[in-house]
Order: sequence, then C-alpha cells, then structure tokens
Amino acid sequence: AQKVTQAQTEISVVEKEDVTLDCVYETRDTTYYLFWYKQPPSGELVFLIRRNSFDEQNEISGRYSWNFQKSTSSFNFTITASQVVDSAVYFCAPVSGGYNKLIFGAGTRLAVHP
Amino acid sequence: IAGITQAPTSQILAAGRRMTLRCTQDMRHNAMYWYRQDLGLGLRLIHYSNTAGTTGKGEVPDGYSVSRANTDDFPLTLASAVPSQTSVYFCASSATDRDEQYFGPGTRLTVT
Repeated sequence: AQKVTQAQTEISVVEKEDVTLDCVYETRDTTYYLFWYKQPPSGELVFLIRRNSFDEQNEISGRYSWNFQKSTSSFNFTITASQVVDSAVYFCAPVSGGYNKLIFGAGTRLAVHP
Repeated sequence: IAGITQAPTSQILAAGRRMTLRCTQDMRHNAMYWYRQDLGLGLRLIHYSNTAGTTGKGEVPDGYSVSRANTDDFPLTLASAVPSQTSVYFCASSATDRDEQYFGPGTRLTVT
C-alpha cells in the first residue's frame, strides 16, 4: 500500500529563517509523480511543483527549492529567507503509475512571524 | 479566464436532502476531480473523470455520484445528505491524467 507521511504537523519560524518541510512517500511503484501544493489562510489550493520519480535533480525556483531522494523516498521542500506571506499549509501529494489519484499528506502548517 | 468555478460558495443543507455541487472549467482540460477536505486533514479523492463520458471512483465515493456529459462541467451529487458529509469540497482539473491539478475555490457544505 502507498503511504505519504508529512511528519511535521506545525512549524513556526521567524521571518528570514530558512525552513524545510519533509515528505516521505512509501510505495512499491518504480515510476511516480510528486506534487507540492500550498493552501494559504484564504483556503485555495495553489500548485507549486511537480517532479518525476526518475528525476532526482534538485530544483530551485526563487526562494523555493526541492530535494528528491528516491533511495529514501523523501521529497523535501525548502523555503529560503521565509516571509510572512509563506504562512500556509503545505501538502505533499504523490500519484503513482498511470493513475491520476493524488494521495495527499496531512499537511504541514507553516507560520512565519515578523 | 476564470479557470475553475464552483457553486455554491457555501451551503447549509438539512440531512436527507439532495444537493448538487457545480464545477465548471474553461481550460479545456480532459481530466476533472472532486475532493473533500475535512477539518485539519488533507484532501481525499471522491470521484474523478479522465475524459468526457467516463468517471471513476476515488478513495471515498460512497454517498456521492458524478457525471461528465461534456468537457467543461463535472457536477457532484449528494443523493441524500448526511451530517458526515459536512466538509469543504474542491473541484480540480488537469490537462491529462499525468499533469498537475488546478483547484477551484471550494464549496463549504454543512449538513445539519
């Protein structure tokens, strides 16, 4: 059975700190996709990134970076120099094989304080 | 371009009543989805449709039905609402079944 774990329920940081959100996806599938979504206090879900299981290159987009390690099934998300606007719940959501059924983790609530 | 619209924004419904949540996308995406999000939890897939005319069951399909008569619309029907269906419902779409999903603003449903 597939299982996605976001072990950090809540994280609180002060503005400008770097913060890493962890995600572990346990699966027997050899090919899969992983997504990160952001849900700010307003409630909408915002797509952040999609990665393929065969691509372990780190990706950087502005203050966001993603580190995917297939050997440990981890797909971590780092925000550099956090800002108050980064305060949100962040969801890791893998999907496996030919299925488009996202499996959402429970989410990590990030609070960035001024 | 609106993206994905959902209606109503919120609704209070008496148990036993029938309710249809509407979802329309203008991106010509092939795949559409319905999720529910309960307080403090991640989203769970209710039903999905990979293309017009086809639907499939997700993780929590019981008590819900969907139809996909055309590309743009994907209504979700609760035939006889129960209090456990109190939740926020999100509709989403993706270009294909392997692409990122884009979400609507959600419908907050309370069943009393």
